[in-house]
Amino acid sequence: NAGVTQTPKFRILKIGQSMTLQCTQDMNHNYMYWYRQDPGMGLKLIYYSVGAGITDKGEVPNGYNVSRSTTEDFPLRLELAAPSQTSVYFCASTALGQGQPQHFGDGTRLSIL
Amino acid sequence: RKEVEQDPGPFNVPEGATVAFNCTYSNSASQSFFWYRQDCRKEPKLLMSVYSSGNEDGRFTAQLNRASQYISLLIRDSKLSDSATYLCAKPHGSSNTGKLIFGQGTTLQVKP
Repeated sequence: NAGVTQTPKFRILKIGQSMTLQCTQDMNHNYMYWYRQDPGMGLKLIYYSVGAGITDKGEVPNGYNVSRSTTEDFPLRLELAAPSQTSVYFCASTALGQGQPQHFGDGTRLSIL
Repeated sequence: RKEVEQDPGPFNVPEGATVAFNCTYSNSASQSFFWYRQDCRKEPKLLMSVYSSGNEDGRFTAQLNRASQYISLLIRDSKLSDSATYLCAKPHGSSNTGKLIFGQGTTLQVKP
C-alpha cells in the first residue's frame, strides 16, 4: 500500500520554465490537497479537490494550476517559475467527510534559480 | 487572531523528561482535532487524533479542552527520537471539504 506518492522528489528549475509536480494516491480518497511549506514556516494550501473534475483555490493559488481527471491523480503545474516558488511542496489526501486526518506524500523540493 | 495557534518553542528538554504542548483554536464546533509530527525536511505524519474523550498511545497523551478552546499533547519519558516539530490541526469551517487548518508547529529538542 503506497499511500500518497509524489514525483519528482527534487527539482531545480530556471526562472520562466514550467513543470508539473505529480501526486497520486491509491487509497481511493476523494479529497486531495496541495500545500507549500517555506523554511521555518507553516503549511499553506495552494489548491484542493473534493473529487474528480472538481478543484478549488486555497490561500496561495497564484502562479499554479491543477487538474483532477481521475480520483487517483492530482497534478500541480507551475507555468512560469519564479524564485518565490522555491519551496517544499506536499500533496495530501483524506477520506470522504469531515473530521478525517490528511495523509501526506513525502514532498517535492523545488528550487528556482 | 489565527484560528490555530502554537508556541513555536523550541522546547529544550533532557531525556526522560515529561513535556506538554498546547494548541489554542477558535471558531470550531469540530468533534476531532489532530496532532502531526514533522521531522526536518520531511512530510507531516499523523501522530494522534484527538476526540472529546482524549486519546492515549504509549508515552503520548492528547486531550481536548472545549471550554478553554485548546488541545494538548503530553509526552512522557522523552526520547532523543522525539525531537521534531509537532503540528496541531483542526477541520476548516463547517463545509465538507476535508480541509484542515494547521498551526505553525512547536519544535521539541530532546537533549542527552
